[in-house]
Amino acid sequence: GAGVSQTPSNKVTEKGKYVELRCDPISGHTALYWYRQSLGQGPEFLIYFQGTGAADDSGLPNDRFFAVRPEGSVSTLKIQRTERGDSAMYLCASSLTAENTEAFFGQGTRLTVV
Amino acid sequence: AQSVSQHNHHVILSEAASLELGCNYSYGGTVNLFWYVQYPGQHLQLLLKYFSGDPLVKGIKGFEAEFIKSKFSFNLRKPSVQWSDTAEYFCAVTPTSGTYKYIFGTGTRLKVLA
Repeated sequence: GAGVSQTPSNKVTEKGKYVELRCDPISGHTALYWYRQSLGQGPEFLIYFQGTGAADDSGLPNDRFFAVRPEGSVSTLKIQRTERGDSAMYLCASSLTAENTEAFFGQGTRLTVV
Repeated sequence: AQSVSQHNHHVILSEAASLELGCNYSYGGTVNLFWYVQYPGQHLQLLLKYFSGDPLVKGIKGFEAEFIKSKFSFNLRKPSVQWSDTAEYFCAVTPTSGTYKYIFGTGTRLKVLA
């Protein structure tokens, strides 16, 4: 596609529920990143993929968060047993490769846990 | 640990004023440097980037940034701002080897008065 696409754009869920956030990267981009942004803060790194494998998942806050990219294209960020503190904007970005290329960001998914 | 500091959190300028936003990073190795901009209601967009070569980098919309390695700084400048430059600006770094995750600063919210 023309840009990075994230769905849904907004998600409201109840505390304790499971959610999935989807990211469609730019076609041909091998690197894919997930970030979380809270109000008044910069994007906080969660995980990035090079191809199908998670190259660095050091930013995932706990084992309730998991991400997959099974075919090296679309990625899904999965959050189990959601908590109110998980409410934030979740950003996805992709780049041609991880090394020495810039990342292009999607519009984000605003997750609200009530 | 890697970190990025943006010392100006909120900046208010009149049109035609000059702009300089500070960015300092902390990392022991070589890095790639970026400035991203987020206009109201839009996604993060790349303003400019530095990978290597001339430390004075020119980006879109008349912005430029200078990498001063000895000061670990990558300050953003524009000689004459416009009302349309009202946005949030984020500095980011990524190592040139190992993990390629982007580390962002907390952002600077710029308001330009017409």
